[in-house]
Amino acid sequence: GAGVSQTPSNKVTEKGKYVELRCDPISGHTALYWYRQSLGQGPEFLIYFQGTGAADDSGLPNDRFFAVRPEGSVSTLKIQRTERGDSAVYLCASSLTPNQPQHFGDGTRLSIL
Amino acid sequence: EDQVTQSPEALRLQEGESSSLNCSYTVSGLRGLFWYRQDPGKGPEFLFTLYSAGEEKEKERLKATLTKKESFLHITAPKPEDSATYLCAVQENTGNQFYFGTGTSLTVIP
Repeated sequence: GAGVSQTPSNKVTEKGKYVELRCDPISGHTALYWYRQSLGQGPEFLIYFQGTGAADDSGLPNDRFFAVRPEGSVSTLKIQRTERGDSAVYLCASSLTPNQPQHFGDGTRLSIL
Repeated sequence: EDQVTQSPEALRLQEGESSSLNCSYTVSGLRGLFWYRQDPGKGPEFLFTLYSAGEEKEKERLKATLTKKESFLHITAPKPEDSATYLCAVQENTGNQFYFGTGTSLTVIP
């Protein structure tokens, strides 16, 4: 059985560019989470989807960050006008229901030059 | 104020030397406390969920316990392959967010 898949595994881009990060959750998992993890830190919550809707986006740092999950499965995290401070590992997790343990992908390592 | 604090930040053990990792939390109402293991370059791997004070869970050399204010991850006779960062996360009963600690980096020396 496939786990959570994230693509690309690495992304290097220049300051000011637009990036999209993709997450393919475990089949049947209704809850999907995005986190950001900086070196030596724990994952920091960004946004939570239940089905197609963003049930909690309170962790998004500003309006340059946006995420969608149009069909209730694959999700895309979009970052506009990237800044060097956006450099981090972006993790996606899914769970069968919101109260169940989350299963994580291996993340996308984003580097903004 | 941090909701989750883990200690120590780093721990070096000789193979076979048992020890405990601590996770203290300050959320007002706990829905669940979760332990994860994270290897370098990988996403966190789920280990345990604890829901109420007094609960214990075991898996191989690991045992997790929970009180009203903290959780311990006990490692009995660790092996080098237990080397990893161990993360603790809590979920409040009023929301959907999971709050993670900064982790304990465990190194087990052969």
